[in-house]
Amino acid sequence: GQNIDQPTEMTATEGAIVQINCTYQTSGFNGLFWYQQHAGEAPTFLSYNVLDGLEEKGRFSSFLSRSKGYSYLLLKELQMKDSASYLCAVRDSNYQLIWGAGTKLIIKP
Amino acid sequence: DTAVSQTPKYLVTQMGNDKSIKCEQNLGHDTMYWYKQDSKKFLKIMFSYNNKELIINETVPNRFSPKSPDKAHLNLHINSLELGDSAVYFCASSQGVSGANVLTFGAGSRLTVL
Repeated sequence: GQNIDQPTEMTATEGAIVQINCTYQTSGFNGLFWYQQHAGEAPTFLSYNVLDGLEEKGRFSSFLSRSKGYSYLLLKELQMKDSASYLCAVRDSNYQLIWGAGTKLIIKP
Repeated sequence: DTAVSQTPKYLVTQMGNDKSIKCEQNLGHDTMYWYKQDSKKFLKIMFSYNNKELIINETVPNRFSPKSPDKAHLNLHINSLELGDSAVYFCASSQGVSGANVLTFGAGSRLTVL
């Protein structure tokens, strides 16, 4: 079967750095996405990786290793507004998105 | 505002009733989706339409019927509602299904079946 694994919950301190990991086992690979979802709101797009390596976008970076079936989302200079769930999703060989359950990130002052 | 808009935002109803959720996008996207997010927060694809044609129909009860009158609209009708249908339903759209095509989600419709 196909599955995406992420930690259920993480806690970090304002101003610090946090890394959210995602491992996946899917039938084929056509890209990996990270979305942010604040409580009671819609998911919004953060990043996309299709080739190995690091993609940087401001305070957020996302890394992919296809051979290891592994990605991480790195958040720097954490702000209180970064408290949210972070969803990892992989597009499989049929171009369907397979979603993880999300990692709830709690930021403490 | 360019967006995906869905109505109603909240829906509370009794078991056995029939209800509809409407979705519209003005982004000019050609693909629209319905997702269900349950209490465990998993996003599960239910249906996907590309240019008004059904391309994904996951294993959902046939009490759920999508209707796409045009490529900007994808409505979801649910017959004979059951307690287990309680969830947040998200409509989304994208331009195509490959590459870096990003999903834009509506704000969600929280359905509570009593």
